[in-house]
Amino acid sequence: SQTIHQWPATLVQPVGSPLSLECTVEGTSNPNLYWYRQAAGRGLQLLFYSVGIGQISSEVPQNLSASRPQDRQFILSSKKLLLSDSGFYLCAWSVHGYNEQFFGPGTRLTVL
Amino acid sequence: AQSVAQPEDQVNVAEGNPLTVKCTYSVSGNPYLFWYVQYPNRGLQFLLKYITGDNLVKGSYGFEAEFNKSQTSFHLKKPSALVSDSALYFCAITGANNLFFGTGTRLTVIP
Repeated sequence: SQTIHQWPATLVQPVGSPLSLECTVEGTSNPNLYWYRQAAGRGLQLLFYSVGIGQISSEVPQNLSASRPQDRQFILSSKKLLLSDSGFYLCAWSVHGYNEQFFGPGTRLTVL
Repeated sequence: AQSVAQPEDQVNVAEGNPLTVKCTYSVSGNPYLFWYVQYPNRGLQFLLKYITGDNLVKGSYGFEAEFNKSQTSFHLKKPSALVSDSALYFCAITGANNLFFGTGTRLTVIP
């Protein structure tokens, strides 16, 4: 069966510090991968998605970036965090764009 | 462009009563529609989907959803609500390579 992992589960970082969140998927090959941010426990904002290694589509211009160095690994990064980057970050995968997505447990990021 | 709308931010229902969480959609063509549930500080869990076929779709935890093409709706239902159903519910529709999510409806089941 397929599983999706995210780490860390929680993170507290000072403004201006770098960020690296990691997501890995097991039990499937060549998945579509997604990064979302959820603010205040409400709506989801799609940040990035990837249909293959090295292929990243950005949905929202900001100080975040994403990379997919391996087929089942998706990384969210920032060089300098802003207060507004605080939120709940969710990684998801799907077989392809028209299928349901399966979500990881999320990372709670607090920027102070 | 495709989109979904969840007109209710909050739905309260008594335990044991039927519940409905509303979702309407907009799309050119045939929609692929989904419902997800989110418990506090957790990722979203897939409940059910409509691709084609029977308008009544059954999913996890006793939930079902009715696809209504004339009303462009895909409401989530359950015959008898449980306190443990209290959570945040999201409706979603497919895009080219991703899903578009509604803003979410917080369901509270009152004991």
